[in-house]
Amino acid sequence: QSVLTQPPSVSGAPGQRVTISCTGSSSNIGAGYDVHWYQQLPGTAPKLLIYGNSNRPSGVPDRFSGSKSGTSASLAITGLQAEDEADYYCQSYDSSLSGEVFGTGTKVTVL
Amino acid sequence: QVQLQESGPGLVKPSETLSLTCTVSGGSISSYYWSWIRQPAGKGLEWIGRIYTSGSTNYNPSLKSRVTMSVDTSKNQFSLKLSSVTAADTAVYYCARDVGLPLGWVYFDYWGQGTLVTVSS
Repeated sequence: QSVLTQPPSVSGAPGQRVTISCTGSSSNIGAGYDVHWYQQLPGTAPKLLIYGNSNRPSGVPDRFSGSKSGTSASLAITGLQAEDEADYYCQSYDSSLSGEVFGTGTKVTVL
Repeated sequence: QVQLQESGPGLVKPSETLSLTCTVSGGSISSYYWSWIRQPAGKGLEWIGRIYTSGSTNYNPSLKSRVTMSVDTSKNQFSLKLSSVTAADTAVYYCARDVGLPLGWVYFDYWGQGTLVTVSS
């Protein structure tokens, strides 16, 4: 059972903005550990989308942005496109569990 | 461009040991931590553990009693063994490269394509 909670699904029309929350606790996000985000297209391996809370790897469009505050983090997708339809996972470290933890995952649907 | 490729049996019997190898190409395995991550069908991701090229390891406490990882720098490979498997261990297993400092500051920048391991008699 994951210690990072995400909404099961979010949806939006092409061009719209959607946000995905990642809620943790004082032993992970709230302890100051970084949050990272991954995009998983159907049938493929996860791909790094955001690292260190708000940094984009080379090649990731600036439509994707990340932020962190308190015990939560968020991923925003602006100008939603059909190709953004995928599952998204947050990841951080939990000091109580002494290991890396992933969020429950969010399916983004483009209407 | 670093590439990772998992290999190993796709079917393991209950109570036996799951064994997988990850081969790294396009770069050296040295001076990095390398992780194993799994994903049951239709479910989320679970970090299994990591190994450094020196052989130092860090395992998920929930799996620690059953996990062994090793590394072969001469072959640019690292491996996972998971003992006493049950149907609950059926999943796609990914290998990945760690970036950052362990115990708090790690993310995974390169992933293998994943390999499905089914536990069944």
